This record gives sequence, structure tokens and C-alpha cells, in this order.
Amino acid sequence: ETGVTQSPTHLIKTRGQQVTLRCSSQSGHNTVSWYQQALGQGPQFIFQYYREEENGRGNFPPRFSGLQFPNYSSELNVNALELDDSALYLCASSDRGAFSYGYTFGSGTRLTVV
Amino acid sequence: DAKTTQPPSMDCAEGRAANLPCNHSTISGNEYVYWYRQIHSQGPQYIIHGLKNNETNEMASLIITEDRKSSTLILPHATLRDTAVYYCIVKSGTNAGKSTFGDGTTLTVKP
Repeated sequence: ETGVTQSPTHLIKTRGQQVTLRCSSQSGHNTVSWYQQALGQGPQFIFQYYREEENGRGNFPPRFSGLQFPNYSSELNVNALELDDSALYLCASSDRGAFSYGYTFGSGTRLTVV
Repeated sequence: DAKTTQPPSMDCAEGRAANLPCNHSTISGNEYVYWYRQIHSQGPQYIIHGLKNNETNEMASLIITEDRKSSTLILPHATLRDTAVYYCIVKSGTNAGKSTFGDGTTLTVKP
């Protein structure tokens, strides 16, 4: 068991740029969820992928998009970055068939938009 | 989704039990109560979950009232390392990974 790994750990981007964040799920986990956590707030659900298909989306605009690969690793892409996109981005994985075990979170990517 | 209400902050003395309450009066029959915690600068960590029976694992105990409208997370012997933000989430099992977390309870364990 290697846990959930996210990269990079920190990132600084300029307003209007695009960014790709990466997540390597825990071994055997086929479901990944992405979250945005602004300073001082709880994580907000962005979207979930199950077996490479989007399986639910929170209240985020289309410039937030994602991918899940056959090995269940995942990417979060954000286009046209805005200052308010500055946050900690978390991914969490689970074996959807065993939802009772909860989700395993990574340590996150801290994105700063200037 | 059922809304949850938690106190914003609580203190606990080291070695004593920490009892963290959560109200979820609109919970549906198929929704579980999940607890996570987040230590500063880390991702949330799953603690425990339950449907209607009380549950215990190596980290904590979860007590759910008979009407399921509230629950309490119990850390039996709190240590300084238990200082964290604790989140209570109510969700059906298959939707557990689509939860938006509230503001949680900041638990501070004091020596």
C-alpha cells in the first residue's frame, strides 16, 4: 500500500494561465475524487471519476476538468486561472465497491495564482 | 444531502476523552455518518463511519442516537497529536466521495 500521491506539492501560476495537477491513487482503488480547499474552509467537492468516466460533479465551472487513466491515476486541469482559484487541491481515492472503508486523501497541491 | 451542524471549536485535556458532537436531523435512511479529521497542512484522514449502530475501531468510537438525528465521535484518551479539525459528513455509501465538507470542529488538546 503506497497511499495517495499528489504532484507537485506547491505551484505558483499567473492569472489566465492553465494548470495540471496529478494524483496517483492508492493501489487497487478505482475511484478518485478531487476537492478544492480554500484557506480556513472545509474541502469542496469538484468531481469524481470512476473507471475513467466522470461520476458526479460539484458546483464548479467547466474550466475545471479532469481525466482518469487506465491505471486509475488522475489529473485535474484548470483553465483561465483566476485569483480565487488559489487553494489546496486534494485528491482522494477509494475502491468504490468497498465504500465502507472511507476515502484515502493525498496531502494536496498548494496552488497560488498571482 | 443532509446538513450537519458542529460546534466550531472545543478544548480537551490530554489523556481525557474528547466527545465531538454532530447534528444531522435531516438524515435519510440510506445515509451513513462519516467522520474525518485534518491535521494542519495534511489531507483529511478517515476515522470511522456508521449507519445506525455504534461503532468502534482503533482510532475512535461513534455513538449514533436511536433516531439517527445526531452522533458523537469519542476519542477515548486524547493526545496532543489529536489536535485537528474534525469533520462530520452524512452521505449514502456510494456517494461518500462526493461530499462537500462543512467547517468542522477544531479540537485543541491541551497538556
